[in-house]
Amino acid sequence: AQSVTQLGSHVSVSEGALVLLRCNYSSSVPPYLFWYVQYPNQGLQLLLKYTSAATLVKGINGFEAEFKKSETSFHLTKPSAHMSDAAEYFCAVSRPGTASKLTFGTGTRLQVTL
Amino acid sequence: NAGVMQNPRHLVRRRGQEARLRCSPMKGHSHVYWYRQLPEEGLKFMVYLQKENIIDESGMPKERFSAEFPKEGPSILRIQQVVRGDSAAYFCASSPEQRTETQYFGPGTRLLVL
Repeated sequence: AQSVTQLGSHVSVSEGALVLLRCNYSSSVPPYLFWYVQYPNQGLQLLLKYTSAATLVKGINGFEAEFKKSETSFHLTKPSAHMSDAAEYFCAVSRPGTASKLTFGTGTRLQVTL
Repeated sequence: NAGVMQNPRHLVRRRGQEARLRCSPMKGHSHVYWYRQLPEEGLKFMVYLQKENIIDESGMPKERFSAEFPKEGPSILRIQQVVRGDSAAYFCASSPEQRTETQYFGPGTRLLVL
């Protein structure tokens, strides 16, 4: 079985500050990991994904995440927050090698203040 | 290339009625997934289908819910005799035949049961 834990259901940062959203996973096999962003009343948009290539993954909108096997983590970061980054962020895990389901965390709502 | 399309975007039903949610995957995609998002929660997997086949329905409630993905036409998620607890956002995602690790999400159908 696979699972994802996102620490902090709400995170607030100032515009221009570092964004750090935490994600820890549990998986019996080497996982695929994803970060999705959801804006209000919209669907999910893929930010980035880890599929066993480079451990530091760069995504859209200046976001990146690092896969750390020893810590079972896949934290999402952005050096400088922008007001438009305010949204809900979901970490997800799947089993590689098959077109399998995504298992999502409960999400982190990011607030960006002036 | 149009994205994943879902309709209707909003659906209101009274208790006991039927709800039909439609999903048209991206062009060239043959894998379809349905997820449910309850208020203030993450997405939960419901069912994974390929054309004319249900591959994984481990997340589907045992009663009242069914899904299909016919040879022609959209995928349908059907909820019979809806109850208030069915009120949620239902998201469809699709993935291509070969690169199966990434799922592309539609905008969702928000079901409200009165």
